[in-house]
Amino acid sequence: AQTVTQSQPEMSVQEAETVTLSCTYDTSESDYYLFWYKQPPSRQMILVIRQEAYKQQNATENRFSVNFQKAAKSFSLKISDSQLGDAAMYFCAYYGNKLVFGAGTILRVKS
Amino acid sequence: GAVVSQHPSRVICKSGTSVKIECRSLDFQATTMFWYRQFPKQSLMLMATSNEGSKATYEQGVEKDKFLINHASLTLSTLTVTSAHPEDSSFYICSAYGPQSRGDGETQYFGPGTRLLVL
Repeated sequence: AQTVTQSQPEMSVQEAETVTLSCTYDTSESDYYLFWYKQPPSRQMILVIRQEAYKQQNATENRFSVNFQKAAKSFSLKISDSQLGDAAMYFCAYYGNKLVFGAGTILRVKS
Repeated sequence: GAVVSQHPSRVICKSGTSVKIECRSLDFQATTMFWYRQFPKQSLMLMATSNEGSKATYEQGVEKDKFLINHASLTLSTLTVTSAHPEDSSFYICSAYGPQSRGDGETQYFGPGTRLLVL
């Protein structure tokens, strides 16, 4: 079974600084998708960024980018120029035939 | 992005009663929807996959008779918690595959969730 591990329960970042959230996963499949979702206090799950495993190029979405290392099964999220609105729980997720979530990382942004 | 709605957003019920939660895809058709359960400060746990026109597929450990799922149309799936008890109190979230705003393939979009409290 596929597993997703987020080893950082909590992270803090100063406003306007950069922070990286870690995620590793375990799978024997070669074709899959990886996602980062954000869950603010409202608890609405919001898609942040998506990566197809067959693409070597790292996905980017404005201030959000990933470092996808397929051989290492690593999928970290970098948030640049952090804003107060980035404060939330962030979930890394793997999709092969179903979506599997990591335990989440709480991101706090300090002003 | 695609929009998924849930109703109600929160519900309080007495132990022993049944509660129905609706999940709708507002601007797209969804042949497959998913139901998750989330405890406070924990991750989402997949309960079942809802397929339009056929029986739902439940994850291991999820009671089919306790959590009834019906996917009657391409835009609506319902989760009924039957004979609810306090231990069923949780946050229930649905999702559906929707078209991406750019690129290929599909992505899961989530409803805003339903907070259930069983007294």
